[in-house]
Amino acid sequence: NAGVTQTPKFRILKIGQSMTLQCTQDMNHNYMYWYRQDPGMGLKLIYYSVGAGITDKGEVPNGYNVSRSTTEDFPLRLELAAPSQTSVYFCASSYATIAEAFFGQGTRLTVV
Amino acid sequence: GENVEQHPSTLSVQEGDSAVIKCTYSDSASNYFPWYKQELGKRPQLIIDIRSNVGEKKDQRIAVTLNKTAKHFSLHITETQPEDSAVYFCAASRASNMLTFGGGTRLMVKP
Repeated sequence: NAGVTQTPKFRILKIGQSMTLQCTQDMNHNYMYWYRQDPGMGLKLIYYSVGAGITDKGEVPNGYNVSRSTTEDFPLRLELAAPSQTSVYFCASSYATIAEAFFGQGTRLTVV
Repeated sequence: GENVEQHPSTLSVQEGDSAVIKCTYSDSASNYFPWYKQELGKRPQLIIDIRSNVGEKKDQRIAVTLNKTAKHFSLHITETQPEDSAVYFCAASRASNMLTFGGGTRLMVKP
């Protein structure tokens, strides 16, 4: 019963580097989300997807890109990493916007 | 879009006391209001939710109340225990609109 799985758990990037955060879910949920959580702060929506092939911007999309080629996978791409992207990133999924969101274990990213 | 405000940002209580966290929302069409608990270093997990067709919901020591007219909802934890210490997030959404989270409340239960 895996739920939502994110990789990696930790990563240190240098300024200007790029990376992809992986997220996969095995619950056949149509809705998937990426949030970032800065220290001591709440959850801010970066991007979301309502189904395979469909993505849209959330509250803080600048500096990120996503794709949704399958129902299961929703990777988040960081291009040209900046210190402001130091944060904990959570992927989540749900079967509807008015239903429980299941979160992955998070990725702690530090940009130096 | 929806805006959710949560108060207080920190709350300290003695073990056995009650704790109340309040949230207000701006979109009168929102009809789903979940509460998530996030322990230190862990992922947020749903603890209780309420839909707009009911005014109150209970699950053991946890209850949530909803006032649609005033557009606010609250989380009540009775007989608090040290393991209740965590950050709690409220959220609001409706069909076709993504969840909007409040800023979080850090609850500390002192033994």
